[in-house]
Amino acid sequence: DQQVKQNSPSLSVQEGRISILNCDYTNSMFDYFLWYKKYPAEGPTFLISISSIKDKNEDGRFTVFLNKSAKHLSLHIVPSQPGDSAVYFCAGSSGGYNKLIFGAGTRLAVHP
Amino acid sequence: EAGVTQFPSHSVIEKGQTVTLRCDPISGHDNLYWYRRVMGKEIKFLLHFVKESKQDESGMPNNRFLAERTGGTYSTLKVQPAELEDSGVYFCASSPRIHRDEQYFGPGTRLTVT
Repeated sequence: DQQVKQNSPSLSVQEGRISILNCDYTNSMFDYFLWYKKYPAEGPTFLISISSIKDKNEDGRFTVFLNKSAKHLSLHIVPSQPGDSAVYFCAGSSGGYNKLIFGAGTRLAVHP
Repeated sequence: EAGVTQFPSHSVIEKGQTVTLRCDPISGHDNLYWYRRVMGKEIKFLLHFVKESKQDESGMPNNRFLAERTGGTYSTLKVQPAELEDSGVYFCASSPRIHRDEQYFGPGTRLTVT
């Protein structure tokens, strides 16, 4: 049973435009969500997080939105840059434990 | 500060053989996690150490997998005997505290079982 779903395996965006990556979850116990970015042959690196008591968190070009009623979150990257091309993973966690439940990832390609 | 390191970066073994993966967390990080990603699918949790103790091993697939963390420092993950479905990328991650800390991932070990 996949608790975190990223239904778009890939996304292509032009440089300077907005990238929107989506994530749906089924586990109502999740109270913390994270986005990780992964380049080839490297491990995932933390990008941004959001607590379930918030609906938005912003860090520079990256903003995460959380819609608890829809069990949906999204990552907005504005403006998109070629260096943002990577695989993006959404993850949720519950309680006080840091066990992360990941989605399958979305491959973002930002082209000039 | 050195990041999380993993060894080997790539291992190719035959079905039935044994393989041991090693992870060195960031110095001072009490929490160590193992994850696995199979064939472009989701990254799946395997287990979590707090220092030398197993906090959560609910993600371990079966008893062919054995994880240890000697003295609360580095960790090893042994697969014995390996099966074809064990192929994938094994990631190790560490964090300093248990609550809501970002996890720092290593580059992973790509395991191929033929």
